[in-house]
Amino acid sequence: GENVEQHPSTLSVQEGDSAVIKCTYSDSASNYFPWYKQELGKRPQLIIDIRSNVGEKKDQRIAVTLNKTAKHFSLHITETQPEDSAVYFCASIGGDSGYSTLTFGKGTMLLVSP
Amino acid sequence: EAQVTQNPRYLITVTGKKLTVTCSQNMNHEYMSWYRQDPGLGLRQIYYSMNVEVTDKGDVPEGYKVSRKEKRNFPLILESPSPNQTSLYFCASSSTAWNEQYFGPGTRLTVT
Repeated sequence: GENVEQHPSTLSVQEGDSAVIKCTYSDSASNYFPWYKQELGKRPQLIIDIRSNVGEKKDQRIAVTLNKTAKHFSLHITETQPEDSAVYFCASIGGDSGYSTLTFGKGTMLLVSP
Repeated sequence: EAQVTQNPRYLITVTGKKLTVTCSQNMNHEYMSWYRQDPGLGLRQIYYSMNVEVTDKGDVPEGYKVSRKEKRNFPLILESPSPNQTSLYFCASSSTAWNEQYFGPGTRLTVT
């Protein structure tokens, strides 16, 4: 089945810096790549997603890039703020499951210091 | 208000005592799934359902059962819980697998 690896597992930045989280996936037929944010004690919530027919998508301070040839995608957060502190999960939906199951990475804990 | 609800939110039980965690959504979503979240392991899918009466195994289905008799409900059943099923469980729903997953508030289960 699909395998998603996520790096780094923890990331500490100063407020105002940029943060980048990277994920690789194994199924070349994967076509949907969402990112979820989970604040402490809360449920995961979608922050951005990208489909395989585009290479980049932006939404204010966050962006996701996709490199299908290399089978990796990244989350970019610019001008980080303390409220960006959370655990971020990448995911992909693989073709070998009939595009019916979502496989998550193990998460990145982002700490933004004031 | 569009939402996914789970009950109970917290449960402490003993090995072997059957339990059910309920999940309900009011968004008319066809796709529903269960995940467990463990430290360092991320979110792992237990079971999913693409529509009423259609369920299938995710990555970690052993020890769990589900049913989908109605569109809005997707209960998770542990017939004989064991300590290794101690975890945080999330139910989620979406229109399809490749759309935004709406997660419930989570159920923290402890099996002693």
